[in-house]
Formats: sequence, structure tokens, C-alpha cells
Amino acid sequence: KAGVTQTPRYLIKTRGQQVTLSCSPISGHRSVSWYQQTPGQGLQFLFEYFSETQRNKGNFPGRFSGRQFSNSRSEMNVSTLELGDSALYLCASGNEQGFTYEQYFGPGTRLTVT
Amino acid sequence: DQQVKQNSPSLSVQEGRISILNCDYTNSMFDYFLWYKKYPAEGPTFLISISSIKDKNEDGRFTVFLNKSAKHLSLHIVPSQPGDSAVYFCAASYYGGSQGNLIFGKGTKLSVKP
Repeated sequence: KAGVTQTPRYLIKTRGQQVTLSCSPISGHRSVSWYQQTPGQGLQFLFEYFSETQRNKGNFPGRFSGRQFSNSRSEMNVSTLELGDSALYLCASGNEQGFTYEQYFGPGTRLTVT
Repeated sequence: DQQVKQNSPSLSVQEGRISILNCDYTNSMFDYFLWYKKYPAEGPTFLISISSIKDKNEDGRFTVFLNKSAKHLSLHIVPSQPGDSAVYFCAASYYGGSQGNLIFGKGTKLSVKP
């Protein structure tokens, strides 16, 4: 079974621009979560989508948004980019089975804002 | 306030010996815990998990122990191999909140020396 894929893998943008990142979950997984990883803050939860609905949201400004399509693919968008948005953005998909719940991560998109 | 803490940023172990990685948490609502391994430029890889109804879970060379009264969990790797050298993240979640929202520690960098 194919893993989680993310595109693009690397991206360089200028302050003030916007960016859209894409994630394709593992086949059959309906949940997609997004995380930001930076050296100082570690892995921080952005938001989760389940069956096209945002189910949970982390403590990030409204410039960060996302959506999920009917095939479970997800996109996240960052508007008005700031230098501090430079980070590795990770997508994870999950298949809830009762009480257990593991998430499987993609390779990430490395965003550099100049 | 950090809800999941990995107080040792790094750990060095000789090949063949035991590696013990520790993690503490503060939120008593957490009832599901996971360990991930991460290599540079890759997404985290799921290793092993444990629910709060258990105090131990084994998978090959990896064993996770949970001490709920102390709000402490540990990952044991026996025997350690050079390929285990990576950053290890502890994560926690709770059912009824959102399983898609994993709270991560800042990670412990494990170096296994031949």
C-alpha cells in the first residue's frame, strides 16, 4: 500500500506571498492532520480533517487554513507569508479503529520564506 | 506549557546495549501514547504505541512501558543497533478529544556507536 505523499517537497517563497501544499493520504484513511516542525518549537499540530470537515484546530493564526476533498486528499494554505513560517510541514493520515489510532506521516514539504 | 516532555535532548549508547528513552506528560486526560523515529529530511515513522489500559507493549526489539501514576513512559530498545540512530519523539493523544491531534515532545537524539 502506498504511503502518504506530499507535494511539493521543497518550496521557496517571498514574504507576503501565499502557498498551497498538498497531501495524499494512505488509501482508505479518512483523517488527515497537518503539523509544523521548526527547530525551536518542535512538532506542532495545525489542524485535522475528517470526512471533509475540520475536526480540530491548533493554535495558529487564521493565515493557516486547509481543506479536504471527497477522496480524502488535503491541502493547506498559508497566506501573507512571514519569515517565521519557514518550516517543515508534515501531513499525517490515520485510520481510526476503535480505541487505537496511529498516524502515518509523509516526507514533508520544506518551506523557506525569504 | 509543554504537556509532553522529553528531558534528555540526546543519548549515546554502545551497539548491542539497551537504549532507554524517557517521556513525561502532564495532562491526565491522555490515554494513548506513541513513539516515532525520525531521520533527517524524512517524516516521522511510527514505531510503537500503548493505551492507558496497559502498562507494557512489545514489538520485536522495542518495548514501551507506561507508568500512569507517575505520568511517565519509556521506550526500551534491545539490542541497540547503529541503524537506530535517529531522533525519537514521544506523542500523546486522548480519545474523545481528537485522536488526530497528537501532542509531541521535543525529541531525543539517539546515537548508537558501533
